[in-house]
Amino acid sequence: QSVLTQPPSVSGAPGQRVTISCTGSSSNIGAGYDVHWYQQLPGTAPKLLIYGNSNRPSGVPDRFSGSKSGTSASLAITGLQAEDEADYYCQSYDSSLSGSNVFGTGTKVTVL
Amino acid sequence: EVQLVQSGAEVKKPGESLKISCKGSGYSFTSYWIGWVRQMPGKGLEWMGIIYPGDSDTRYSPSFQGQVTISADKSISTAYLQWSSLKASDTAMYYCARHHGSGSWFDPWGQGTLVTVSS
Repeated sequence: QSVLTQPPSVSGAPGQRVTISCTGSSSNIGAGYDVHWYQQLPGTAPKLLIYGNSNRPSGVPDRFSGSKSGTSASLAITGLQAEDEADYYCQSYDSSLSGSNVFGTGTKVTVL
Repeated sequence: EVQLVQSGAEVKKPGESLKISCKGSGYSFTSYWIGWVRQMPGKGLEWMGIIYPGDSDTRYSPSFQGQVTISADKSISTAYLQWSSLKASDTAMYYCARHHGSGSWFDPWGQGTLVTVSS
């Protein structure tokens, strides 16, 4: 059972903007720990999308952006494209779980 | 290029033992943690544990403590995930990934090893 909660699914038409929330608590996101985001295309390994709340690795389009506030974080995709259809996961650190890394429950993005 | 290459798919029977591997290249293997992540069929990502190959310091998720063993051989830049007695519920895809330190991210990821446990 994950301590980071995401909506199971979000959808949007090509070109639209969608956002994915990642809700935590005072022992993880709210404690100041960074949030990272991963994209998992069908049948492939996860890939780092955003690190340190809002930083994009080299090669990640600037259509993807991340933010964090309080006990939550968000991933935004602007100008949605067909190739963005994938599962997205947030990840952080939780001080109440013996030094555990924790992943969010995951969100399926569907491009209509 | 920084790369993690995992061993191939495995089909095992309940009660059997198994050790899968993750070989790092393109960076100093002893300077970064390696984490293991489980993904059961149709489900999300679960963090299992991490190891620092430099001194074999290992941390486990409470959910996986005592269920698996994580180890590393720094002489061949390889990390391992091991089971002593597999169960059908261990059927999953297992990923290794380089971890950048406390509170940080996983990158890159291995291609995954599919473990199927069936009688």
